[in-house]
Amino acid sequence: GQNIDQPTEMTATEGAIVQINCTYQTSGFNGLFWYQQHAGEAPTFLSYNVLDGLEEKGRFSSFLSRSKGYSYLLLKELQMKDSASYLCAVSLNTGGFKTIFGAGTRLFVKA
Amino acid sequence: DVKVTQSSRYLVKRTGEKVFLECVQDMDHENMFWYRQDPGLGLRLIYFSYDVKMKEKGDIPEGYSVSREKKERFSLILESASTNQTSMYLCASKGEPGSYSPLHFGNGTRLTVT
Repeated sequence: GQNIDQPTEMTATEGAIVQINCTYQTSGFNGLFWYQQHAGEAPTFLSYNVLDGLEEKGRFSSFLSRSKGYSYLLLKELQMKDSASYLCAVSLNTGGFKTIFGAGTRLFVKA
Repeated sequence: DVKVTQSSRYLVKRTGEKVFLECVQDMDHENMFWYRQDPGLGLRLIYFSYDVKMKEKGDIPEGYSVSREKKERFSLILESASTNQTSMYLCASKGEPGSYSPLHFGNGTRLTVT
């Protein structure tokens, strides 16, 4: 079966660094995506990893280890506006290239 | 910028009604998707389509059907709405399936079935 796990909730302080982990077990792998979703809004694309290693994009970085089925999203210099849900998603190369999602991690940033 | 538009933001329907949720994208994307999002369960794929008149079942297709008569439009149909179909429905589109191409989501339709 297909399974993506990530923590349900996390809390961090403004200005700090937070790491959101994601583990996956899927048949077929064509890349891993992270999306951000503010309450009441649509998810928006943050990052994409298809090879092992770290991808950096401003305050956000994402890491992938395909052999371990593991990824993390690193958010630096946290701001209040980073309070949102973060969705880990795997693009499959079987069954029509669909994308499946984890349940999401709600991040609360406190002052 | 890709724009994915869902026809209704909020919808209230009665049990047994036939419900149509419409989605239009303006980027000539081949691939379109319907998800539902429920607390604690995340986004679950209902149906997707990789070409006009083509459709594939996702993980939870029961009680739903879809229609893709034109490339830019992908409709989700609830043949006979039930209360367990109360949910947020999100439409998404995507460019080439095998390449680096994220999903672009509409703003969602919050459907309540009473």
